[in-house]
Amino acid sequence: QKEVEQDPGPLSVPEGAIVSLNCTYSNSAFQYFMWYRQYSRKGPELLMYTYSSGNKEDGRFTAQVDKSSKYISLFIRDSQPSDSATYLCAMSPSGGSYIPTFGRGTSLIVHP
Amino acid sequence: GAVVSQHPSWVICKSGTSVKIECRSLDFQATTMFWYRQFPKQSLMLMATSNEGSKATYEQGVEKDKFLINHASLTLSTLTVTSAHPEDSSFYICRPGMVNTEAFFGQGTRLTVV
Repeated sequence: QKEVEQDPGPLSVPEGAIVSLNCTYSNSAFQYFMWYRQYSRKGPELLMYTYSSGNKEDGRFTAQVDKSSKYISLFIRDSQPSDSATYLCAMSPSGGSYIPTFGRGTSLIVHP
Repeated sequence: GAVVSQHPSWVICKSGTSVKIECRSLDFQATTMFWYRQFPKQSLMLMATSNEGSKATYEQGVEKDKFLINHASLTLSTLTVTSAHPEDSSFYICRPGMVNTEAFFGQGTRLTVV
């Protein structure tokens, strides 16, 4: 079992839909959780990060962490065609060295 | 946020030649740089960690003589793919080590070996 599991998709939704992207993990030591967006042939860009459990909202994006279930989510409201990209989750233990473990990414397609 | 500049963004080279990829931190000093490789529809795979002024640490299965990493200054780390072969064609990305929880990546370099 991989440390971080993420469905590669693709996930295709109509413009305006609410998108739910998810990752599960097995390492209970993970404390920092991040979501990256990666456009084709570009480096990943950090969207959001959260520490421990709970929700964090930033504009149309909401990150949710459920440590009891080892499950994290990224919600995108009012999705736009410009949101079409690959979304990678990443996580790392608290303190010490900081080398996150990445999911393989979910390809999202928002069609007009 | 921190600015990381990676060059070139795209390179095609002939099999057997070497290619150098540069990663510069523009507004901060990076004592550590992580180098990743990403195949299509796959996750980021950490290749090696470079530390300014010392030898790089390579992940298991990564040939250190093939992927030469130099981190001679606090603002520049380079990855040289030596004697490149078609199987080395991939997307290479750098990321400076940060002390906080955020992380910023370079723009990535798409290497195609023909």
